[in-house]
Amino acid sequence: DIQMTQSPSSLSASIGDRVTITCRASQGISNYLAWYQQKPGKVPRLLIHAASTLKSGVPSRFSGSGSGTDFTLTISSLQPEDVATYYCQKYNSVPCTFGQGTKLEIK
Amino acid sequence: EMQLLESGGGLVQPGGSLRLSCAASGFSFGTYAMTWARQAPGKGLEWVSAISNDNTYYADSVKGRFTISRDNSKNTLYVQMNNLRVEDTALYYCAKSQSFAATDGFDVWGQGTMVTVSS
Repeated sequence: DIQMTQSPSSLSASIGDRVTITCRASQGISNYLAWYQQKPGKVPRLLIHAASTLKSGVPSRFSGSGSGTDFTLTISSLQPEDVATYYCQKYNSVPCTFGQGTKLEIK
Repeated sequence: EMQLLESGGGLVQPGGSLRLSCAASGFSFGTYAMTWARQAPGKGLEWVSAISNDNTYYADSVKGRFTISRDNSKNTLYVQMNNLRVEDTALYYCAKSQSFAATDGFDVWGQGTMVTVSS
């Protein structure tokens, strides 16, 4: 099975910072990659699918890029409400494996 | 508004069984693939099982023990969980695929139902 590895596992950044989270697939998955945000105590929320397509209603400070094995989620200007754990997920085939998560905190 | 409401969780002994249900509303249930995912306490998300209208899919960790099914007339998703193990302890979410394909992003999630396997 294809493994999904996120880095870093956690990070702390200041309000207004540009934040980048990386997700690497152990084999190529084209652009079949989604990003989710899970705020503490809340349900996961789909932010981005097809590696770079922003879901309706998601703030434009979020963006995604990549194809094949290497992907990134970028927050252009970190806001207090972005404190959450972020997960990538591959869906080119089953199992639709999630990355281990990246916990984002405010410095 | 699209909604998913899970039920059926609880405390069960190792080797026991549970059936989870997920009631859907606000969308054409039979048009979309559906998925069960879980999250152990303090851990990350794990994909468990999915169902389209033609096929079922399982993680290796539950294959042979869990059975996913759906009743489109009742807008309800199910998972029958047998021979439960301590490591199955988690919050179980149902989620809606963005399309008829089980391999797609999940754009609607339920609040989850907790399953605890312990003696």
